[in-house]
Amino acid sequence: AQSVTQLGSHVSVSEGALVLLRCNYSSSVPPYLFWYVQYPNQGLQLLLKYTSAATLVKGINGFEAEFKKSETSFHLTKPSAHMSDAAEYFCAVSDQVNSKLTFGKGITLSVRP
Amino acid sequence: DTGVSQDPRHKITKRGQNVTFRCDPISEHNRLYWYRQTLGQGPEFLTYFQNEAQLEKSRLLSDRFSAERPKGSFSTLEIQRTEQGDSAMYLCASSGGLVDQYFGPGTRLLVL
Repeated sequence: AQSVTQLGSHVSVSEGALVLLRCNYSSSVPPYLFWYVQYPNQGLQLLLKYTSAATLVKGINGFEAEFKKSETSFHLTKPSAHMSDAAEYFCAVSDQVNSKLTFGKGITLSVRP
Repeated sequence: DTGVSQDPRHKITKRGQNVTFRCDPISEHNRLYWYRQTLGQGPEFLTYFQNEAQLEKSRLLSDRFSAERPKGSFSTLEIQRTEQGDSAMYLCASSGGLVDQYFGPGTRLLVL
């Protein structure tokens, strides 16, 4: 079975500050890892994904994430937060055979002016 | 590519009624997934299709739930005898391969 842990439910940063959203996973097989963003009353939009190629993955809107197998982590970062980044962020894992996604509980990012 | 669409976007029903949701995937995507998202939680997998074949169902999918994808294109999710615990956002996603699921806007169900 696969699982994702996103510690904390809410992160607040100032505009222009570093964004760091943590994700740890558990998987018995080499995982595919994803970060999705969800704006209010909308579906999920893929930010970036790790599929066993480069461990540092760059996504849309200036986000990036680094796969660290030794730490079973896939933390999401952005050097400088923008007001439009305020949303809910979900980390997800899938195996390589059946690509159903297992999501974490999500983290709400607030950006203070 | 018009994206994944879902209909209706919102549904309010009374307990005990049946409801049906529709999902239209991105054209030529052979995989279609249904997820359920309750307030404050991440989406949870319900079921998925490859073409018209339903390949996996979660234990979350009780006997009151049924999903179909009759011609390998659009899919329907039906909930019979709805309960208040069924209130959630129902998300559909499609995929053209083993990765990159694209999500629709969801159908928000409220059972009174």
